[in-house]
Amino acid sequence: GAVVSQHPSRVICKSGTSVKIECRSLDFQATTMFWYRQFPKQSLMLMATSNEGSKATYEQGVEKDKFLINHASLTLSTLTVTSAHPEDSSFYICSAIKPGTSSSYNSPLHFGNGTRLTVT
Amino acid sequence: AQSVTQLDSQVPVFEEAPVELRCNYSSSVSVYLFWYVQYPNQGLQLLLKYLSGSTLVKGINGFEAEFNKSQTSFHLRKPSVHISDTAEYFCAVRWAGGTSYGKLTFGQGTILTVHP
Repeated sequence: GAVVSQHPSRVICKSGTSVKIECRSLDFQATTMFWYRQFPKQSLMLMATSNEGSKATYEQGVEKDKFLINHASLTLSTLTVTSAHPEDSSFYICSAIKPGTSSSYNSPLHFGNGTRLTVT
Repeated sequence: AQSVTQLDSQVPVFEEAPVELRCNYSSSVSVYLFWYVQYPNQGLQLLLKYLSGSTLVKGINGFEAEFNKSQTSFHLRKPSVHISDTAEYFCAVRWAGGTSYGKLTFGQGTILTVHP
């Protein structure tokens, strides 16, 4: 089946530094990827939709200058948390739709294993 | 705004007992429904999905769910749970049309704890 790989799985950084998280689709090309954020004991909140070759679409309330998304190829999207602060500590999860199915509306998302970011 | 509600934040059960995890969504327009499972510090794994057709859908690991349009519900069930089913379960909805392409709205999650 489809596999989405996310790296790193865990990262600890100091306040003020930037952290890059990678999301790769391993056996399919993903024109669209999604980035979610999950706070402890809470649900996943969509941050942005990453489109290959164009600018990402951010959800309301998400700072696009803080959470930089680059979808440079059909198999790679990156999320960079710039000037990270302790309140950015969270679990970040990427996902992708495998194209070629009957409709992307009813295709399930394939998720990476997430990245646990801790900002000290 | 469209929303998904999982009525129980935590469900403790004993091994081999049946379980039902409840999910309701806010709108009765065309929807696609999903249940995902998340193990600690991992991403989400698809359990099952409802797209159209039979309202009873079967998924992996012995789980099933029933789509009830009139009640806008999509409850997840398993007749006999195992210790290994301990995890967090998320109901998710994709509303057809408009700008909702590809986007999933998740419920708050239900932590299922199976006791021996």
